[in-house]
Amino acid sequence: GAGVSQTPSNKVTEKGKYVELRCDPISGHTALYWYRQSLGQGPEFLIYFQGTGAADDSGLPNDRFFAVRPEGSVSTLKIQRTERGDSAVYLCASSTGGTDRGYNEQFFGPGTRLTVL
Amino acid sequence: AQKVTQAQTEISVVEKEDVTLDCVYETRDTTYYLFWYKQPPSGELVFLIRRNSFDEQNEISGRYSWNFQKSTSSFNFTITASQVVDSAVYFCALSERMDSSYKLIFGSGTRLLVRP
Repeated sequence: GAGVSQTPSNKVTEKGKYVELRCDPISGHTALYWYRQSLGQGPEFLIYFQGTGAADDSGLPNDRFFAVRPEGSVSTLKIQRTERGDSAVYLCASSTGGTDRGYNEQFFGPGTRLTVL
Repeated sequence: AQKVTQAQTEISVVEKEDVTLDCVYETRDTTYYLFWYKQPPSGELVFLIRRNSFDEQNEISGRYSWNFQKSTSSFNFTITASQVVDSAVYFCALSERMDSSYKLIFGSGTRLLVRP
């Protein structure tokens, strides 16, 4: 079946510009996560959606970053006034969500490589 | 605070050697999960294993084995008879409980180079 997909796979932008990164989760997955992986580091959690609402956005680095998931499926990560330090691979993951049965596997997408010049 | 430490930044071995990747974690959760992921040069994250904090049994899968020791907060990964295709960055990760799910806390990774 189809896995998590992310578009674009690569995005090059100039400092100060606005970018949108898209994530299509696995069909039926209610939970969606964004992580950011800087060069030479492990992924770092940004935000988690359960359905349409952001249940935990504690990892967003500042108010230039926000994400939406208006219909509980596709999510868009939006970055305003991009800075060179925003350059990273942005990973999306989805899962069936909830903790009543313990951990639900997070399936990762291929990522979007963002380069800010 | 939750933390994962992978002290080995890079390891280089010759094919057929055994290699162990170290992982030490810190957590305040009583129930937690530990993971290993592989990230080959293509960039995708490949899930290798998940362990529940209640299950300290070691696990073997083919050439891969994992040693979970709660007493030392370690979850080490051994590759037996390494192959060139094992060359990748390997990440250890720890779950952190959120209200209705878990986030993953990753270590900084160990780059493994297996030379022919």
